[in-house]
Amino acid sequence: NAGVTQTPKFQVLKTGQSMTLQCAQDMNHEYMSWYRQDPGMGLRLIHYSVGAGITDQGEVPNGYNVSRSTTEDFPLRLLSAAPSQTSVYFCASTRFDEQFFGPGTRLTVL
Amino acid sequence: GQQLNQSPQSMFIQEGEDVSMNCTSSSIFNTWLWYKQEPGEGPVLLIALYKAGELTSNGRLTAQFGITRKDSFLNISASIPSDVGIYFCAGQRGGAQKLVFGQGTRLTINP
Repeated sequence: NAGVTQTPKFQVLKTGQSMTLQCAQDMNHEYMSWYRQDPGMGLRLIHYSVGAGITDQGEVPNGYNVSRSTTEDFPLRLLSAAPSQTSVYFCASTRFDEQFFGPGTRLTVL
Repeated sequence: GQQLNQSPQSMFIQEGEDVSMNCTSSSIFNTWLWYKQEPGEGPVLLIALYKAGELTSNGRLTAQFGITRKDSFLNISASIPSDVGIYFCAGQRGGAQKLVFGQGTRLTINP
């Protein structure tokens, strides 16, 4: 039981490049979320999903897309990376009220 | 977007001391959660609080859900080196996804 896995662990992009952050969970949880963590800001919700085929925006969705074709996977896409998207990204899956976080992806946009 | 006001932002203490941190909000929450994050890892849930006035312990950790539902505190007694990390409060108002996090309290312990 791997829990929540995220790839890659580190990524450097140039402004304007696109990429997908991968997130997978093997706990059969319906709820999954993406957060970004910036210094002094705590974690802020980007997008979330309540089940396969259903997604919704969180607090800071601009510049990011998500899809949920399966229960297990919840990828986060950056369409055109900007320096303001330099951050640490965490994926989480939820059982009842407990969120299980992945180890994070540290993204730098130059 | 709304964030919770968590204080203090950082603490430098001696091993064995007690620690207290708190979170306040201008809005009511239905659930308060406390997480700990260690370097290079995601946050891990420590304590969940579901009712106003609730006081819950988890080993040396004790947390309370404020009566007004707008605040919560976390106490750590007799701190040890492995308590080092960043502690986050989070409030939940609606569905399980919609957590609002505090800015975090960075705890450093001198042995």
